[in-house]
Amino acid sequence: TQLLEQSPQFLSIQEGENLTVYCNSSSVFSSLQWYRQEPGEGPVLLVTVVTGGEVKKLKRLTFQFGDARKDSSLHITAAQPGDTGLYLCAGETSGSRLTFGEGTQLTVNP
Amino acid sequence: DAGVIQSPRHEVTEMGQEVTLRCKPISGHNSLFWYRQTMMRGLELLIYFNNNVPIDDSGMPEDRFSAKMPNASFSTLKIQPSEPRDSAVYFCASSLRSKQFFGPGTRLTVL
Repeated sequence: TQLLEQSPQFLSIQEGENLTVYCNSSSVFSSLQWYRQEPGEGPVLLVTVVTGGEVKKLKRLTFQFGDARKDSSLHITAAQPGDTGLYLCAGETSGSRLTFGEGTQLTVNP
Repeated sequence: DAGVIQSPRHEVTEMGQEVTLRCKPISGHNSLFWYRQTMMRGLELLIYFNNNVPIDDSGMPEDRFSAKMPNASFSTLKIQPSEPRDSAVYFCASSLRSKQFFGPGTRLTVL
């Protein structure tokens, strides 16, 4: 079983602060995806990283894929209350199958 | 375009009853996934289909669970008989390539 460990599990910060969420595995994935889930809804894809060492930016969010394609990080600059949600990383294996991490519940307080 | 459609959105039933969850994937998508999400175990893949054919059902917890995809626009997940530990949010997702699009989920409560 390929496991993805996310840290921290819970994060509560003030508006304007920066934060980083980590996603680690001992397995190599063909790609790694980050999703955000809000209460009562399904996860929504934010980004897919494919190449080792790849960095992608989405406004205030920066995603990085580790050189060995085993780990990834999500950095949010100047967090806003609208960033509140459950952030999930997911590693892709064969046949488009995804293995999800347990998630990081982020709360940004105004 | 409509996203993934799931019904019902909420289901409350009693232990022992049969439960059927329904999913309509996004038109044109060739893969369909059923997930279960709980606080304890997070998001778990139950089964997925490619071109209506079940590819991997290793995540289906027990024989009480079954899933079908009779055509490209419809899938069901059935639990018979249901048990309290089946209480969770069940998501359906569809994809064309690697990007999965999730439905809003069905919150199942088994009393």
